[in-house]
Amino acid sequence: GAVVSQHPSWVICKSGTSVKIECRSLDFQATTMFWYRQFPKQSLMLMATSNEGSKATYEQGVEKDKFLINHASLTLSTLTVTSAHPEDSSFYICSASRAGGGSYEQYFGPGTRLTVT
Amino acid sequence: SQKIEQNSEALNIQEGKTATLTCNYTNYSPAYLQWYRQDPGRGPVFLLLIRENEKEKRKERLKVTFDTTLKQSLFHITASQPADSATYLCALDERDDKIIFGKGTRLHILP
Repeated sequence: GAVVSQHPSWVICKSGTSVKIECRSLDFQATTMFWYRQFPKQSLMLMATSNEGSKATYEQGVEKDKFLINHASLTLSTLTVTSAHPEDSSFYICSASRAGGGSYEQYFGPGTRLTVT
Repeated sequence: SQKIEQNSEALNIQEGKTATLTCNYTNYSPAYLQWYRQDPGRGPVFLLLIRENEKEKRKERLKVTFDTTLKQSLFHITASQPADSATYLCALDERDDKIIFGKGTRLHILP
């Protein structure tokens, strides 16, 4: 149990275009989903925390107008990278925690490799 | 500022031996600490959680210790196997809804 999927697993886009990444909890309800970014040989950096039905909470330094997060249901959150630039190329990973579970035992998706050319 | 350090970027261990990874932190008083495994190009997989009032936790060949005085956690893999080769991340709770990760230690088990 506690499976999280992400789609797509990799994407290449041109500079200036927008890319949407989906994160789904397949077999549980996730009241909270988290979006991380990971650069090579670096730790996961939390970008934002997303609660179902409410606005996402962004970490300091993360542009909310550039990284649009929508948590429309208990099983789906989306991250849209708007007007992507090469410096946005990274590994984006979502995670979900069970309803009532806080951030204990986050279940991670397989990640999405974004390359902006 | 808050900081998490994992002792080394990479660690080579002979198959069958015990691998010990270290996680040190400063300026925190975490309620719990977690260890995750991450394979290349994949998301992290949760392994163990240990709470501040627990000194040790075990799961099969894994053992985690938590010393809040030393501000340190040790992660042990006994009878290590090549399949244990991966990056291992420690993570601490910074606030109720947020955990932060160390950079990880790449473990190589040599056959």
